[in-house]
Amino acid sequence: DADVTQTPRNRITKTGKRIMLECSQTKGHDRMYWYRQDPGLGLRLIYYSFDVKDINKGEISDGYSVSRQAQAKFSLSLESAIPNQTALYFCATSDSDRGVNTEAFFGQGTRLTVV
Amino acid sequence: AQKITQTQPGMFVQEKEAVTLDCTYDTSDPSYGLFWYKQPSSGEMIFLIYQGSYDQQNATEGRYSLNFQKARKSANLVISASQLGDSAMYFCAMRELTGANNLFFGTGTRLTVIP
Repeated sequence: DADVTQTPRNRITKTGKRIMLECSQTKGHDRMYWYRQDPGLGLRLIYYSFDVKDINKGEISDGYSVSRQAQAKFSLSLESAIPNQTALYFCATSDSDRGVNTEAFFGQGTRLTVV
Repeated sequence: AQKITQTQPGMFVQEKEAVTLDCTYDTSDPSYGLFWYKQPSSGEMIFLIYQGSYDQQNATEGRYSLNFQKARKSANLVISASQLGDSAMYFCAMRELTGANNLFFGTGTRLTVIP
């Protein structure tokens, strides 16, 4: 089983619908992140969480919300999906104890299409 | 200002040849880490190599090496003896010690290995 699991892997939804992307991890890391990837733009940070009670906005948080239900679970919601939220979404985790040399571990990604 | 710049949207290399993927970064933090990730067509993000700002030697991991030039703020990835399986997107990323300690990504370089 993957250390960082995202569900669903693919999703097509209609404009205006609410959708939730879920992420769970077995790595025991305290930090969790949501990124979106668009062609030519790389990965951009949407939200990040240092622990269950510490949630922060990233570069592009407008139109998104998150919930850290437990240390191992971090979900991303689009309250009212719009077509320009069509993208590949990644959940990632890292261990805060290692400082700058800690890599991020990624889920397999969720490909979201808003029509 | 962009923290990570990758100026090569696409690169081609002949199989068995070496290739260099460019990455420059911008930070005033004396302590930071630099990372390279590979994203094959299947979409997952694979960690390749890490370089710390205080590391005296260039990092190496098998066929991957990082050409770290601190004064020039560059962290180029060198892939030796390219293989067809190296065809993928490659992302450079940086984590700073100060602030939120998040991982910032460049826009990526798509490498195509030609048989």
